[in-house]
Amino acid sequence: SAVISQKPSRDICQRGTSLTIQCQVDSQVTMMFWYRQQPGQSLTLIATANQGSEATYESGFVIDKFPISRPNLTFSTLTVSNMSPEDSSIYLCSVERQGRDTEAFFGQGTRLTVV
Amino acid sequence: QKEVEQDPGPLSVPEGAIVSLNCTYSNSAFQYFMWYRQYSRKGPELLMYTYSSGNKEDGRFTAQVDKSSKYISLFIRDSQPSDSATYLCAIAGGTSYGKLTFGQGTILTVHP
Repeated sequence: SAVISQKPSRDICQRGTSLTIQCQVDSQVTMMFWYRQQPGQSLTLIATANQGSEATYESGFVIDKFPISRPNLTFSTLTVSNMSPEDSSIYLCSVERQGRDTEAFFGQGTRLTVV
Repeated sequence: QKEVEQDPGPLSVPEGAIVSLNCTYSNSAFQYFMWYRQYSRKGPELLMYTYSSGNKEDGRFTAQVDKSSKYISLFIRDSQPSDSATYLCAIAGGTSYGKLTFGQGTILTVHP
């Protein structure tokens, strides 16, 4: 399995501010993914982050709101910009590990509360 | 229609029971099927994955895929209180197996 570390694990933020979430992986991976899990809901893919290229966003998510960086093959950040209470969610980083079989692993998540 | 439908439960069973968790999906292009377990305040943990129709067994867990019916299942034998969690089916296809579409999740409680 892959070891994925996310920081911060949780935060309480004021509306109108921004929060940057970091994701560090213990080995090089080509593709990293960011998901959102709203309270009581399942996971929804926000975007795919490849090293050296712009992130690809899913329908309903835009770069201005969720800018993503992918400076190398083991690290990515997701920023939640100009936050509102509706952004209160768990944000999860995921990686695809390709080998004999391809598997997708998740970090522990960042629990964000916007007040 | 959602791409993946999963009965959210909640499901409550006695210890030792056989648990059946199910999902249906709509897009026949999906070709990679996973089950995750998520404990409260934790990230999803990959339990099982399979590419093809049929059964795959790992200890007390069996994943079953029927592509003709677009139906996937997870069976848990001899369920334990430690199995109490939310179980999520996840499906991928196409260019990346990391781009997952999740079901709503089923909350399972196994009581002693």
